[in-house]
Amino acid sequence: DTAVSQTPKYLVTQMGNDKSIKCEQNLGHDTMYWYKQDSKKFLKIMFSYNNKELIINETVPNRFSPKSPDKAHLNLHINSLELGDSAVYFCASSQGADNTEAFFGQGTRLTVV
Amino acid sequence: GNSVTQMEGPVTLSEEAFLTINCTYTATGYPSLFWYVQYPGEGLQLLLKATKADDKGSNKGFEATYRKETTSFHLEKGSVQVSDSAVYFCALTNAGGTSYGKLTFGQGTILTVHP
Repeated sequence: DTAVSQTPKYLVTQMGNDKSIKCEQNLGHDTMYWYKQDSKKFLKIMFSYNNKELIINETVPNRFSPKSPDKAHLNLHINSLELGDSAVYFCASSQGADNTEAFFGQGTRLTVV
Repeated sequence: GNSVTQMEGPVTLSEEAFLTINCTYTATGYPSLFWYVQYPGEGLQLLLKATKADDKGSNKGFEATYRKETTSFHLEKGSVQVSDSAVYFCALTNAGGTSYGKLTFGQGTILTVHP
């Protein structure tokens, strides 16, 4: 029973297209996140939602729009994809407190061609 | 702001060798510290954590001690196995405030263990 699941696992698309990545957690956590991992493995937070409300937006371009229909889901929609958007995107969830574990999905490898 | 610096990799060891991966941090207040591991093709998993100074986190033979005086959280294992080959990330969150568990990561260290 997967705790944090994201789909699709792989996504190959052309520049200029719009795509979405879905994420669901069954842990009952209040807080969900999107992280981006670049080609050098560096991980950086993009967004965080707590109980469906956006609480962290780390200067991500407006082409990226997260949506949280309920606290178990956090989707990421990307408009007008660019080559530089190619990366692995990880969804995660936690209770939102600073000393608790974050649980990560398997990642979505996005390749823009 | 917060930052985490890890030793540069990649690190290549023979099986049963001793492992140290250095991690130092800069943070306001009293951060909680974590080591996450990423096996090939997978997401991150928590390896161990420490939430206050002098705490030692341990799991699967790995250990790290929260050293406030040196702002460090070095990862160690006495005898590595081939199955430990992975990318290791040091990370922190700020205790208190409104960070809601946001993780700041180091750059990751690739570990390869040969038989």
